[in-house]
Amino acid sequence: KQEVTQIPAALSVPEGENLVLNCSFTDSAIYNLQWFRQDPGKGLTSLLLIQSSQREQTSGRLNASLDKSSGRSTLYIAASQPGDSATYLCAVKNNAGNMLTFGGGTRLMVKP
Amino acid sequence: DAGVIQSPRHEVTEMGQEVTLRCKPISGHNSLFWYRQTMMRGLELLIYFNNNVPIDDSGMPEDRFSAKMPNASFSTLKIQPSEPRDSAVYFCASSLLSGSNTQYFGPGTRLTVL
Repeated sequence: KQEVTQIPAALSVPEGENLVLNCSFTDSAIYNLQWFRQDPGKGLTSLLLIQSSQREQTSGRLNASLDKSSGRSTLYIAASQPGDSATYLCAVKNNAGNMLTFGGGTRLMVKP
Repeated sequence: DAGVIQSPRHEVTEMGQEVTLRCKPISGHNSLFWYRQTMMRGLELLIYFNNNVPIDDSGMPEDRFSAKMPNASFSTLKIQPSEPRDSAVYFCASSLLSGSNTQYFGPGTRLTVL
């Protein structure tokens, strides 16, 4: 059974810092991996999706990498802003089906 | 497109009552997912449908929970009878079966069972 872990559970940084969020998964037979953002009281918004054949994806100040063999992904946020404050979740889709397995999330606070 | 639509946004009910949550997926999407989110357990998949057919309901906690998708544009999640431990935020998401399969989430229904 796939298990997804995110470390740290919470992170507080001053504005302008570059930061890295970590995601690890136990079963490397994945189809793709997604990073989502969730604002308080809201649904999830997809940020980046990396196919199993890819190593990284970039969108603006966000860069996500994938190392399938070691079961790890990182989300890099450059020049963080207070507006980046949210919970970030990674989710893995296994080859076997259409389901996503989510990590517990990292709650990020960027202080002005 | 209006995105995934869920109703109601908030529901407060008493233990033992029936609760029905509703979801309208993005037009053209052929996969639909129901999730539950709590502080203790995070985000859990309850059930998902492909082309209106339930594919995996192994996440449905008990027989008190049931889900239907009578057509491509509507799904319901019903809890009968409801219990306080069912209190959570319930999300519906939809995606295409082919391609990147990015899931698009609705705003959720916050359920409180007293």
